[in-house]
Amino acid sequence: AQSVTQLGSHVSVSEGALVLLRCNYSSSVPPYLFWYVQYPNQGLQLLLKYTSAATLVKGINGFEAEFKKSETSFHLTKPSAHMSDAAEYFCAVSDAGGTSYGKLTFGQGTILTVHP
Amino acid sequence: KAGVTQTPRYLIKTRGQQVTLSCSPISGHRSVSWYQQTPGQGLQFLFEYFSETQRNKGNFPGRFSGRQFSNSRSEMNVSTLELGDSALYLCASSHPGTSIYEQYFGPGTRLTVT
Repeated sequence: AQSVTQLGSHVSVSEGALVLLRCNYSSSVPPYLFWYVQYPNQGLQLLLKYTSAATLVKGINGFEAEFKKSETSFHLTKPSAHMSDAAEYFCAVSDAGGTSYGKLTFGQGTILTVHP
Repeated sequence: KAGVTQTPRYLIKTRGQQVTLSCSPISGHRSVSWYQQTPGQGLQFLFEYFSETQRNKGNFPGRFSGRQFSNSRSEMNVSTLELGDSALYLCASSHPGTSIYEQYFGPGTRLTVT
């Protein structure tokens, strides 16, 4: 079974500081990995996705993530935090086929707080 | 392109009642997935429909059901509501023809059971 672990339910950074949100996955097949962001009272917005084409993936709003198979990790980073980045972030995994049609398995989420 | 829409956005029901939530996917998307989001359990997969067929189902009781219509719109139904069914219900659509299976989410329906 697939699973995702997000280390740290809350992360707090200062505006302009590096953002690092951690995600480790477990999958018996090559995974497809995603990061989503959720603002209060909204649905989830796709930030970026790993498709096996490149290990460093760039997404929207200056975010990027690096797939490290040896560490089973897919950490999300942003060089300089902005106040508008404050939200909850979810890492998700899919095996994109087989009997897991349409199913994303999500981590528990990390709430990012950005201080002025 | 219009995004995924869900109606209603907010709903208050009483224990024992039933409820139907609606989801319209992005035009051209044929797969619709449903998720339940709660503070305690996080985001949990309910089921997925493609071409009017349920292809995948999560670990929820039979009180949770769904269907998909020929235009890909989907509904989910919860019967005999319990307090624990209070949650944000999200639907997501995708185009399985791509190799990536990214899902696009609607704004959700906030269900409160009293």
